[in-house]
Amino acid sequence: NAGVTQTPKFRILKIGQSMTLQCTQDMNHNYMYWYRQDPGMGLKLIYYSVGAGITDKGEVPNGYNVSRSTTEDFPLRLELAAPSQTSVYFCATKAGETGELFFGEGSRLTVL
Amino acid sequence: KNQVEQSPQSLIILEGKNCTLQCNYTVSPFSNLRWYKQDTGRGPVSLTIMTFSENTKSNGRYTATLDADTKQSSLHITASQLSDSASYICVVSRGSGGSYIPTFGRGTSLIVHP
Repeated sequence: NAGVTQTPKFRILKIGQSMTLQCTQDMNHNYMYWYRQDPGMGLKLIYYSVGAGITDKGEVPNGYNVSRSTTEDFPLRLELAAPSQTSVYFCATKAGETGELFFGEGSRLTVL
Repeated sequence: KNQVEQSPQSLIILEGKNCTLQCNYTVSPFSNLRWYKQDTGRGPVSLTIMTFSENTKSNGRYTATLDADTKQSSLHITASQLSDSASYICVVSRGSGGSYIPTFGRGTSLIVHP
């Protein structure tokens, strides 16, 4: 099993460009989350989903959008990229029974 | 307000020494508390889970404790190794009727020097 797969691993964007960070899981977990982590800081929740078709805002949702059309996929869309969105982005799923979070390897985004 | 506070923010120790990391929480209703290890450039990975009825749990050289009355947890690392250099994150989940969102601490950055 691959677990949680994020793509791309690295990306450089120019200010005002848009892009989608992909997240796919093969664990059949209902709960999925997107976090960002700035250097030396903790993880901040951007958006989360409790199942296909259901999404909700987290702590820092401005400038981002998500969709959840299937259990497996939870893409994060950045519209009009800004330097403040330079960060490392982590996608995670949560096992329903144990509550354990499983993270992807992260996507490092730089906006210049 | 549901919060998780960790201390110290950073810690430097020599290889072979022991250390203890602290986590205080105000999350309610409490379901469980997990310690995660995050290596540089990687996603966090679960080390151990503590539920309300558990006081101590070990995972190799890692031992976690929980005092549900004082809402405190600690992670003790014995005979540290260079590979223990990482950020250690305390995450608390709420119980039935609570939020789907786990509450994260900001982490303790541990550096082990040879």
